[in-house]
Amino acid sequence: GAVVSQHPSRVICKSGTSVKIECRSLDFQATTMFWYRQFPKQSLMLMATSNEGSKATYEQGVEKDKFLINHASLTLSTLTVTSAHPEDSSFYICSASYRETIQETQYFGPGTRLLVL
Amino acid sequence: AQKITQTQPGMFVQEKEAVTLDCTYDTSDQSYGLFWYKQPSSGEMIFLIYQGSYDEQNATEGRYSLNFQKARKSANLVISASQLGDSAMYFCAMREGRRSQGNLIFGKGTKLSVKP
Repeated sequence: GAVVSQHPSRVICKSGTSVKIECRSLDFQATTMFWYRQFPKQSLMLMATSNEGSKATYEQGVEKDKFLINHASLTLSTLTVTSAHPEDSSFYICSASYRETIQETQYFGPGTRLLVL
Repeated sequence: AQKITQTQPGMFVQEKEAVTLDCTYDTSDQSYGLFWYKQPSSGEMIFLIYQGSYDEQNATEGRYSLNFQKARKSANLVISASQLGDSAMYFCAMREGRRSQGNLIFGKGTKLSVKP
């Protein structure tokens, strides 16, 4: 299947700093990427939809100024958590869709565990 | 109202036996897609199986099959011949509408434990 990578896989940072997470589709062009957040023992919650070359669409309750998303190319989307606080500690996971797909499958990256001290 | 309901927080199954994980969904769209993902403790989301709302036959992928009952709005996952490596969280998800690139709505998941 398609491969989506995320970097870093794990990050620990101090409160107030910014953290950038990269999501790459390695063997296909992804016009749309999605960013999810998952708290311990909970389900994935969509944060935003990222379309190449345009502004991201954020879900209700997600601060766009705090979670900056850039989808600069068809293979890369970045999520920057600005001025991170302990409550931002979570598992962040991206997914990507094929430009044209028969099975309509979304492939997920391996996720990034963020711990804000 | 929840769009995806998984009523089993946890399930146990004996190795080599089959197990059914329940999923019901709620949508007014005629066109939608249903997915099952496996999430081991490492956190990665592994795609298992997909069922389109217009697919007449139940989807199958190896040991995984989806029992799709459209009138009941259920899409249960059946895992045959369970293996120890099947122990993980399992999430049912739905994408509404015709857009093949729409976001997924996830259920709360079911933790499956396979006993030796």
